[in-house]
Amino acid sequence: EDQVTQSPEALRLQEGESSSLNCSYTVSGLRGLFWYRQDPGKGPEFLFTLYSAGEEKEKERLKATLTKKESFLHITAPKPEDSATYLCAVQASSSNTGKLIFGQGTTLQVKP
Amino acid sequence: NAGVTQTPKFRVLKTGQSMTLLCAQDMNHEYMYWYRQDPGMGLRLIHYSVGEGTTAKGEVPDGYNVSRLKKQNFLLGLESAAPSQTSVYFCASSRPDWVQGYTFGSGTRLTVV
Repeated sequence: EDQVTQSPEALRLQEGESSSLNCSYTVSGLRGLFWYRQDPGKGPEFLFTLYSAGEEKEKERLKATLTKKESFLHITAPKPEDSATYLCAVQASSSNTGKLIFGQGTTLQVKP
Repeated sequence: NAGVTQTPKFRVLKTGQSMTLLCAQDMNHEYMYWYRQDPGMGLRLIHYSVGEGTTAKGEVPDGYNVSRLKKQNFLLGLESAAPSQTSVYFCASSRPDWVQGYTFGSGTRLTVV
């Protein structure tokens, strides 16, 4: 069964304290792995798509990496405005309908 | 550019009542989706559509119906609401290549009492 597990569930950081969020996945062939950011009371906002092991993508203080079994979202020198829930999702290569399987998310709090 | 618009934003229903959640997108996306988000459960796919006039069941379709009469609109119906349908509902749309993933709406918070 295709599955996505994110850890930790919650993470508290001091401003400037770098860390990483983990997304472990089991899927029968990976078409793509997606990272989203979700602010309270809002819909998820697209961050990155990764397609193959070894791929990396960056956006401001965020960097996403991908291996054959997991993805990491590295946050460098975070600021309070980076506080949000970060969602990971996978799309199986067998899916031609865009169906995504989501993890439960990691809620990040960055204190000033 | 509005993106994906969901209405209403909040609603309280009594058990057994019916309602329709509306979703409209202005990006000319082919694919549209309805998800529900519950604490500890993540986002789960209810129904989806790969084009005007087509719909299909997702992971948790029971108790819901959908229609896509126009490419830009995707409607989610609850025929007889139950407390288990208390949730936050998100509509999303995407291009067929999913390069930029989904574009989500801001959600509808539904409470069934």
